[in-house]
Amino acid sequence: KAGVTQTPRYLIKTRGQQVTLSCSPISGHRSVSWYQQTPGQGLQFLFEYFSETQRNKGNFPGRFSGRQFSNSRSEMNVSTLELGDSALYLCASSWGQGDTEAFFGQGTRLTVV
Amino acid sequence: QQQVKQSPQSLIVQKGGISIINCAYENTAFDYFPWYQQFPGKGPALLIAIRPDVSEKKEGRFTISFNKSAKQFSLHIMDSQPGDSATYFCAARGKTSGSRLTFGEGTQLTVNP
Repeated sequence: KAGVTQTPRYLIKTRGQQVTLSCSPISGHRSVSWYQQTPGQGLQFLFEYFSETQRNKGNFPGRFSGRQFSNSRSEMNVSTLELGDSALYLCASSWGQGDTEAFFGQGTRLTVV
Repeated sequence: QQQVKQSPQSLIVQKGGISIINCAYENTAFDYFPWYQQFPGKGPALLIAIRPDVSEKKEGRFTISFNKSAKQFSLHIMDSQPGDSATYFCAARGKTSGSRLTFGEGTQLTVNP
């Protein structure tokens, strides 16, 4: 069974640009959550999607948005990039909302210059 | 407000020794407490998890001890091996939080051969 797939693995963007990251969950999983990981702030929850609806949202500005498609694949978008957005963005998939086991992808390393 | 506090920040243990990482939480609505292991360049991987209705859970060399009244839980790694060298995160999830995990700050474990 394939794991959680995140693309691309690495991205370099310029301040002010926007970026879209993609996450394909484990087959059959319907819940996708996104996290931002930085050395200073650790792992912070961005949002969760289940059945194409955002179910939970963390404390991030509106520049961070996401969506989920009918096949459970998810994308997150960051607009007007800032230097502080440089981070590892992780996607986790679960079978259902609130399911106990969350499986993480390898992440997308975003560098904003 | 940091809701899960983890200590120590870093830990060095000799091969064969016991590694102990501690976490404390504030939110009494948390009802699921997983530990994740992360190697460089990889996403976090679920190691072991516990619910507050049990005080201890063991899986191989890994044991979680849980103290509900003190709102604390810890990870014990017995017979630590160099291959255990990684960053460990405790986390917690609330009953009404869907799949949202709140993470501790992480502990960088080094096991010397």
